[in-house]
Amino acid sequence: NAGVTQTPKFRVLKTGQSMTLLCAQDMNHEYMYWYRQDPGMGLRLIHYSVGEGTTAKGEVPDGYNVSRLKKQNFLLGLESAAPSQTSVYFCASSPIAGGPGELFFGEGSRLTVL
Amino acid sequence: GQNIDQPTEMTATEGAIVQINCTYQTSGFNGLFWYQQHAGEAPTFLSYNVLDGLEEKGRFSSFLSRSKGYSYLLLKELQMKDSASYLCAVQDSNYQLIWGAGTKLIIKP
Repeated sequence: NAGVTQTPKFRVLKTGQSMTLLCAQDMNHEYMYWYRQDPGMGLRLIHYSVGEGTTAKGEVPDGYNVSRLKKQNFLLGLESAAPSQTSVYFCASSPIAGGPGELFFGEGSRLTVL
Repeated sequence: GQNIDQPTEMTATEGAIVQINCTYQTSGFNGLFWYQQHAGEAPTFLSYNVLDGLEEKGRFSSFLSRSKGYSYLLLKELQMKDSASYLCAVQDSNYQLIWGAGTKLIIKP
């Protein structure tokens, strides 16, 4: 079972470069999320989607854009990367929002911006 | 503001019992989650509490007191594979998850 798959797993960028992280889930989940995880801090929500064609801002959306053109895919874009965006990025999906709906996470994408 | 507090690091011995505490101050409460995260891996779901009391699941138990804004995760019969970070997360009134920074648990033989 693939679950939630993120690509790429690792990437090194120079300041100002752009890139896209791809998240794909095969569980037919409506809800998808992009988080970043930094040392000493809790997971922080960047953007999320409650269904195909919808996106919404999370806690730390600045510098990122997202798209959910297909239900199974959630893309995270960095238009002009900055060193402050060096982090581990996790995509997650869930069948429901709220209540006991657990999150299913991808393996993470480690991004370094020089 | 919203805040989740957990100890940064704990050490325990293989075969023993350890309790990881989590205190929270959030805008409303709609449930508390515990996740396990091994180094370099994704978080995985452990437990969910929405009512006061203890939820037991094998070697792991999770307790919640909403009036005290407090939860703990109890791990029994510790095994080396339990070495991981344990993340506490609270669902606020808007059903947004607020995450603690995690507790790194080190198991010694």
